[in-house]
Amino acid sequence: GDSVTQMEGPVTLSEEAFLTINCTYTATGYPSLFWYVQYPGEGLQLLLKATKADDKGSNKGFEATYRKETTSFHLEKGSVQVSDSAVYFCALSDRTNFGNEKLTFGTGTRLTIIP
Amino acid sequence: DAGITQSPRHKVTETGTPVTLRCHQTENHRYMYWYRQDPGHGLRLIHYSYGVKDTDKGEVSDGYSVSRSKTEDFLLTLESATSSQTSVYFCASQGGSNQPQHFGDGTRLSIL
Repeated sequence: GDSVTQMEGPVTLSEEAFLTINCTYTATGYPSLFWYVQYPGEGLQLLLKATKADDKGSNKGFEATYRKETTSFHLEKGSVQVSDSAVYFCALSDRTNFGNEKLTFGTGTRLTIIP
Repeated sequence: DAGITQSPRHKVTETGTPVTLRCHQTENHRYMYWYRQDPGHGLRLIHYSYGVKDTDKGEVSDGYSVSRSKTEDFLLTLESATSSQTSVYFCASQGGSNQPQHFGDGTRLSIL
């Protein structure tokens, strides 16, 4: 079945450092790919998405490119801030017969930014 | 953000007791989901609904049942709770197939 493998955490960086969180996937067909972020005590929020190969999703300075040839969707940010401290989840979608998409999540990567 | 409310937010109960978690959304979204979040597993789908009275199983549905009698409410029931069902449970709703899922703030459930 479908699966998502994420970089093991936790990751600790200094403010203004460059961030990369690796994500690779296994899927039949052509799924959409997502990054979700979870702040302490809250539910997940969609950070960005890409729906087909070579698409780049971006939001709040974060970017990820859908690489079909390497089955990857790595999350990057050029200069992280303390407010970026959170848990980040990579996910892929699998369309059902009912018109919606089920999500398969990676295990999550906890990111801590030090001032 | 989509108005999704989960209740209760925290619950402690004993093995063998029935437990019902409620998810309420005010966005008239068609699709709703229940996930559990456990260390080392991320979020895993338990059940989902694609309309009133229409539900289907997810990846980890054993020991759980769901009901959706109204568009706004999606209930998750543990008929006889076990310690392995100790987890954080998240509900999500989705308006359409190309729209993002919006998550509630979670219910922390402990089965002693």
